[in-house]
Amino acid sequence: SYVLTQPPSVSVAPGETARITCGGSNIASQSVHWYQQKPGQAPILVIYYDDDRPSGIPERYSGSNPGTMATLTISRVEAGDEADYYCQVWDSDSDQLVFGGGTKLTVL
Amino acid sequence: QVTLKESGPALVKPTQTLTLTCNFSGFSLTTTGMRVSWIRQPPGKALEWLARIDWDDDKFYRTSLKTRLTISKDTSKNQVVLTMANMDPVDTGTYYCVRHGVVGTTGPDDLDFWGQGTTVTVSS
Repeated sequence: SYVLTQPPSVSVAPGETARITCGGSNIASQSVHWYQQKPGQAPILVIYYDDDRPSGIPERYSGSNPGTMATLTISRVEAGDEADYYCQVWDSDSDQLVFGGGTKLTVL
Repeated sequence: QVTLKESGPALVKPTQTLTLTCNFSGFSLTTTGMRVSWIRQPPGKALEWLARIDWDDDKFYRTSLKTRLTISKDTSKNQVVLTMANMDPVDTGTYYCVRHGVVGTTGPDDLDFWGQGTTVTVSS
């Protein structure tokens, strides 16, 4: 089965740039989606199809999937960005929806 | 606007069957391309996809849980139902009903609208 690997944690100071990676076999051939989940809340979609941003998501959020890793980038990080972030794909080979293990973003 | 709301028992005993209902509004599962999934999250752990049902009644299940899961829809009631047999304490967690994105907007493989989740505890 397809596996997505994320770092358990990323820490960044306010105003800096946070990069959260998501690795998987031949991930560049997958479409990667990203979710933000704050404590006690349901996840929300922040990036879809590698690099598109839903309406209402700040431009500070961007995504890329150029090669061996997909990356969620959050520029000018704010305290309110502190959350767990999950990457996700639909693996059409196995017809399974797969999540990464999640990354806890801490704003120092 | 699109809303989804899960309902079901908060507590089930081991070996019992869990039945969860998702009531949704703002879209129809008779519309071509519509899909709804169930996702769960054990306390303090990652999200885990369970099952998906499509507008054309195609169904997909998590491989490791396939023998225990059944997903169905009642389009007249705008409901999706998930049953999970032989519940175990490791099945404790929050269960979410989620709509897939729509082709032409964000979809179809992403998850654009989530219910608030319902917490299920498995304990004797």
